[in-house]
Amino acid sequence: DGGITQSPKYLFRKEGQNVTLSCEQNLNHDAMYWYRQDPGQGLRLIYYSQIVNDFQKGDIAEGYSVSREKKESFPLTVTSAQKNPTAFYLCASSSLVRVPNQPQHFGDGTRLSIL
Amino acid sequence: AQKITQTQPGMFVQEKEAVTLDCTYDTSDQSYGLFWYKQPSSGEMIFLIYQGSYDEQNATEGRYSLNFQKARKSANLVISASQLGDSAMYFCAMRGINTGNQFYFGTGTSLTVIP
Repeated sequence: DGGITQSPKYLFRKEGQNVTLSCEQNLNHDAMYWYRQDPGQGLRLIYYSQIVNDFQKGDIAEGYSVSREKKESFPLTVTSAQKNPTAFYLCASSSLVRVPNQPQHFGDGTRLSIL
Repeated sequence: AQKITQTQPGMFVQEKEAVTLDCTYDTSDQSYGLFWYKQPSSGEMIFLIYQGSYDEQNATEGRYSLNFQKARKSANLVISASQLGDSAMYFCAMRGINTGNQFYFGTGTSLTVIP
């Protein structure tokens, strides 16, 4: 089945530690996205990528970094510079064909907490 | 600028009744897509329905229909015959032809179905 796989489902970070959230898709989508969601809130865009080796900052990129070495993969690193990382992180992908008709498809998310 | 507004933070509906979730939007794009997503308490984002700006008929998908009023810039989601499993957060989103790589989300509406 085609879809987006995020791992791990739950992640704990110690103070001063960088952690990496994995996102893999087999939908052959060009665009990939990372969102942060705080409890009871909407989605805020962290980073997005349209093509391999290229990505753009979203609204809340500070304290985060990404890479796009393969079309299928878009990992997100939460760095120690992100002082309030506790949140739910969602990865999404979308086709860039027949825009704007194509929806985003989402992974099941990763819940990150501070120890 | 692109903007999605959902003015109902929380809604209640009796089981088997219909409910309408409001969504208004603002865009300078002539061609755009409107999407609704469901987010149950488990966190995954489920794509429900899509409406294109040039579609003459309102979109329907099973018990979901989209009441699209282009002149009023509204794209309300109608859920018929509500079920207990419909209790979730619902997000309206938009994608424009000129900003096709980004999606814009509303703040969401929490729907509770009462038995």
